[in-house]
Amino acid sequence: RKEVEQDPGPFNVPEGATVAFNCTYSNSASQSFFWYRQDCRKEPKLLMSVYSSGNEDGRFTAQLNRASQYISLLIRDSKLSDSATYLCVVNMIENAGNMLTFGGGTRLMVKP
Amino acid sequence: DTAVSQTPKYLVTQMGNDKSIKCEQNLGHDTMYWYKQDSKKFLKIMFSYNNKELIINETVPNRFSPKSPDKAHLNLHINSLELGDSAVYFCASSQRSFSLSDTDTQYFGPGTRLTVL
Repeated sequence: RKEVEQDPGPFNVPEGATVAFNCTYSNSASQSFFWYRQDCRKEPKLLMSVYSSGNEDGRFTAQLNRASQYISLLIRDSKLSDSATYLCVVNMIENAGNMLTFGGGTRLMVKP
Repeated sequence: DTAVSQTPKYLVTQMGNDKSIKCEQNLGHDTMYWYKQDSKKFLKIMFSYNNKELIINETVPNRFSPKSPDKAHLNLHINSLELGDSAVYFCASSQRSFSLSDTDTQYFGPGTRLTVL
């Protein structure tokens, strides 16, 4: 079983749509959580952190359910520029080091 | 102003050769990382250095040897390249290694696309 699992997609949605991505993680010792965005042939960039209470940044809302080991990302009013791969990331201290574990990513394509 | 830079951006080489990838960060961070992203797009950590000291070494063949001459640089040397080494290699840095602060973001370099023929 992969440590961080995501539906690879692609999710094809029209502009203006609302789309949601889910992610599950296997290690209950995971301690912090993020969504990164990766454009084609580019490096990953932090989109937002994910808090237990849920958090929002503009059109983006992230939720964490520690009991179910489940993370979600909701994008409202999709823009063409939202087309990218969204990476679910968990972080834990392991062997005295700070360790990010990445999911395989969910690809989003927003069409006009 | 490039925060994390890598050279070269593209590297095409023959099997059996030895090659190096360089990484530099100008963010004043203490910790640097090497990741490998394979053809299936999975991003996996290879190494982590904190203040020039190796702290994470995932299961990586010992043909891969990281070197950190100072905390702003982390280079990756690969001996006896194999076809399976073809991938994109990303360098990253973060402020601190032992922090789980959700603001302790990792910043990635632009990647080096290695193709082994």
